Amino acid sequence: DAGITQSPRHKVTETGTPVTLRCHQTENHRYMYWYRQDPGHGLRLIHYSYGVKDTDKGEVSDGYSVSRSKTEDFLLTLESATSSQTSVYFCAISDFQGRTEAFFGQGTRLTVV
Amino acid sequence: GESVGLHLPTLSVQEGDNSIINCAYSNSASDYFIWYKQESGKGPQFIIDIRSNMDKRQGQRVTVLLNKTVKHLSLQIAATQPGDSAVYFCALSQGAQKLVFGQGTRLTINP
Repeated sequence: DAGITQSPRHKVTETGTPVTLRCHQTENHRYMYWYRQDPGHGLRLIHYSYGVKDTDKGEVSDGYSVSRSKTEDFLLTLESATSSQTSVYFCAISDFQGRTEAFFGQGTRLTVV
Repeated sequence: GESVGLHLPTLSVQEGDNSIINCAYSNSASDYFIWYKQESGKGPQFIIDIRSNMDKRQGQRVTVLLNKTVKHLSLQIAATQPGDSAVYFCALSQGAQKLVFGQGTRLTINP
């Protein structure tokens, strides 16, 4: 299995509180991604990073911010959590060196009450 | 923007039969088309990809077909086994920056 770890794996938080999810990789891959998965929507890209301090928005970035200060860590922050952000969040990594395979973490189940 | 859709949200097949999962897309500029498998409680796992300049690629028990004329992608699984039960996603990429997923088809294998 690719060395990718998400933390926490489960979290319950209250509406209006900030939340940070962490993705840590040991593969030295350049690209890192945050997706959310909801029933009927598949996986939707929130933000992605193509290098240290290089990030860009995905299709559902409102209400989320990211940071990548080191190659191995990609943080996703919900500035002020809302119930609509209840979801399963997946981190993925890729090096795209002539191949498209992205490796996914185990996911973080976030519940906003 | 990119759009990826699947034809059927669920598919049931008998063990040993072949399965075909379909996907439609709207963005002709994609470089690669990819299939992922997601088992319950796990993250998606790469199965196979195909470059946009190809129309067929085979792997172990899987074949991906790409029809650029009608913007259609399919995944064929030969001799399905119980371990093939999962949700299957097609995805497309433009370079390395973005990987866009469809909504998924849940494949159930009946004994």
